[in-house]
Amino acid sequence: NAGVTQTPKFQVLKTGQSMTLQCAQDMNHEYMSWYRQDPGMGLRLIHYSVGAGITDQGEVPNGYNVSRSTTEDFPLRLLSAAPSQTSVYFCASSYLRTGYNEQFFGPGTRLTVL
Amino acid sequence: AQKVTQAQTEISVVEKEDVTLDCVYETRDTTYYLFWYKQPPSGELVFLIRRNSFDEQNEISGRYSWNFQKSTSSFNFTITASQVVDSAVYFCALSEAGGKLIFGQGTELSVKP
Repeated sequence: NAGVTQTPKFQVLKTGQSMTLQCAQDMNHEYMSWYRQDPGMGLRLIHYSVGAGITDQGEVPNGYNVSRSTTEDFPLRLLSAAPSQTSVYFCASSYLRTGYNEQFFGPGTRLTVL
Repeated sequence: AQKVTQAQTEISVVEKEDVTLDCVYETRDTTYYLFWYKQPPSGELVFLIRRNSFDEQNEISGRYSWNFQKSTSSFNFTITASQVVDSAVYFCALSEAGGKLIFGQGTELSVKP
């Protein structure tokens, strides 16, 4: 079991560039989500998905797109990067069964937008 | 709406002191789950504990203990006899049915030798 994997670990972009942060899990979890972590603000939910083909917005969705074509993968797309998107991004997954929603986190992607 | 507040931004203690990290939450649901996560300097998020809203029993795990009080909407975390390895950022989080996890701002604990 690899758990939750994220690639890349580090990325530097220029303003206006696009990129996709990859997230995959091998635990057959229905629920997957993306968070960003900024100093003093904890982790804020960007987008989440309760299953393949179903996505919804979290607290800070602007500037990000997601899709969920398979149970395993949940990529996060930045269409036109902005310096305000400089952050550490975490992907997480969990079961949806009541009482089992401990979320497993990936190692994070540190993104810098210049 | 859900909300989690960790009023202590930073705490500094000397090794072997006891320390309590506060967490206050808001939710309208009767069924919810509370979590604590640890983020050491290496950056990964480590799950510490999960509590559901129907179980107000306090829990102890080694030097760690958790006090859940629905009457005050609090889920506080105490480290007894702190150690340098406890230095980390600690997050309290709340989840309602459906899986969305809402985090507090985090408390940075520094344990000095």
